[in-house]
Amino acid sequence: DVKVTQSSRYLVKRTGEKVFLECVQDMDHENMFWYRQDPGLGLRLIYFSYDVKMKEKGDIPEGYSVSREKKERFSLILESASTNQTSMYLCASRTTGQGGVGPQHFGDGTRLSIL
Amino acid sequence: AQSVAQPEDQVNVAEGNPLTVKCTYSVSGNPYLFWYVQYPNRGLQFLLKYITGDNLVKGSYGFEAEFNKSQTSFHLKKPSALVSDSALYFCAVRQYNFNKFYFGSGTKLNVKP
Repeated sequence: DVKVTQSSRYLVKRTGEKVFLECVQDMDHENMFWYRQDPGLGLRLIYFSYDVKMKEKGDIPEGYSVSREKKERFSLILESASTNQTSMYLCASRTTGQGGVGPQHFGDGTRLSIL
Repeated sequence: AQSVAQPEDQVNVAEGNPLTVKCTYSVSGNPYLFWYVQYPNRGLQFLLKYITGDNLVKGSYGFEAEFNKSQTSFHLKKPSALVSDSALYFCAVRQYNFNKFYFGSGTKLNVKP
C-alpha cells in the first residue's frame, strides 16, 4: 500500500514564524500536492510538483512556498505565518503511470494553529 | 472554469436504507471522476473512479457510482447503509491530460442506527 507520511499531526506556531510542513511518500510517485482544507470550502490546492525540482502554483499560493529536492519529499513553507493560515493541511501523491489515471493518495493531515 | 458541486452539505439516512451522495461537475473535455471518504482527523481515502466504459463503477466498502454524461453527474450510492459509513465524502474531477484535481466542498453522511 502507498504510504504518505506527514511529519506532524498537530502543530502550534506564532504569527510571523517561518513554518515547515514535511511530507514523504514511499511509492516513487512523480506528482505531489499540498492542499488546505477548511470547513465548507473543501480542498484548495496550494502548490503541486510534477517531478523533482518542478513546481506549479495552485489556486491559493500566496504566503506559501514549496521545495522538492528529492522525489519522495515535498515540503510546504509558510514564509511568515499569519492567523488566517490556521487550517488542516493535506499532502497527496500520485503516479503518472497506470495510464495516467491513478488516484491521489493522501497523508493524515497536519492541523496547524497560528496564534 | 473547471468545478465540482456537491449540493448537499449533509445527508441523513437510516441504517439499512440505500444512500445517495450527489455530485455534478463542469470540466472541458473528457473527465476523470473520483470519490474519496474522510474519517475524523484522517486524510482522504480513495473509494472509486470513473475513467471510461461502463457508467456504473464499483469501489471499496460496497460503494458504487453512476456516471451520467448528459447530466454531468457522478452520484455515489450504496444499497444498504451502515453506521460505519458515517463520514465526510468528497467528489473530485480531473481533466484529461492535466495533473490538477478539482474537489467539491464535501458532504457529511450521517447514518443513524
